[in-house]
Amino acid sequence: AQRVTQPEKLLSVFKGAPVELKCNYSYSGSPELFWYVQYSRQRLQLLLRHISRESIKGFTADLNKGETSFHLKKPFAQEEDSAMYYCALSGLDSSYKLIFGSGTRLLVRP
Amino acid sequence: DADVTQTPRNRITKTGKRIMLECSQTKGHDRMYWYRQDPGLGLRLIYYSFDVKDINKGEISDGYSVSRQAQAKFSLSLESAIPNQTALYFCATSDTDRDPYNEQFFGPGTRLTVL
Repeated sequence: AQRVTQPEKLLSVFKGAPVELKCNYSYSGSPELFWYVQYSRQRLQLLLRHISRESIKGFTADLNKGETSFHLKKPFAQEEDSAMYYCALSGLDSSYKLIFGSGTRLLVRP
Repeated sequence: DADVTQTPRNRITKTGKRIMLECSQTKGHDRMYWYRQDPGLGLRLIYYSFDVKDINKGEISDGYSVSRQAQAKFSLSLESAIPNQTALYFCATSDTDRDPYNEQFFGPGTRLTVL
């Protein structure tokens, strides 16, 4: 079955602390993985995706096929990083539709 | 992304009423999607359309219907609204030609409350 799991509903850290938002997936083939972010009262927007291998706003994510994970990391959290984060995958088996996780709310405290 | 718009942005209605939510895009994308967002449940796919003549049910299509009037327009209807359809609804688009993995671009959302 195709599935994306984000085990944490809420992650609270202090400003300047490292952040890791977990994402695990279940997929039989080779998916593309995405992280979307939704800031307060804004639409979802792409933060980064595996294929581009970019670092956006200091965030990075590495695809670990052995552990079927795509965790999102940032070494020093900022208050403006507070948002809802969704991990998603796409691939042939899903007809290239995005399958989303349930989301993790990141709260960065001052 | 301002190229994907949704109307209305907010709507309060009563149980049993018919409601239509509209989505328009100027991106020229072939695929369009409707999702609902509920706290703790994330985004769930209601319907999706690969082109004007191709409409498919998502994981939670019961109680909803859609119409792809043109490549740029995709409407979601609630034939007889019920309170558990109170949610935030998002439209999204993607371009298969540009990106086979279909990165999606989202509208601003419609907050629907059914009393």
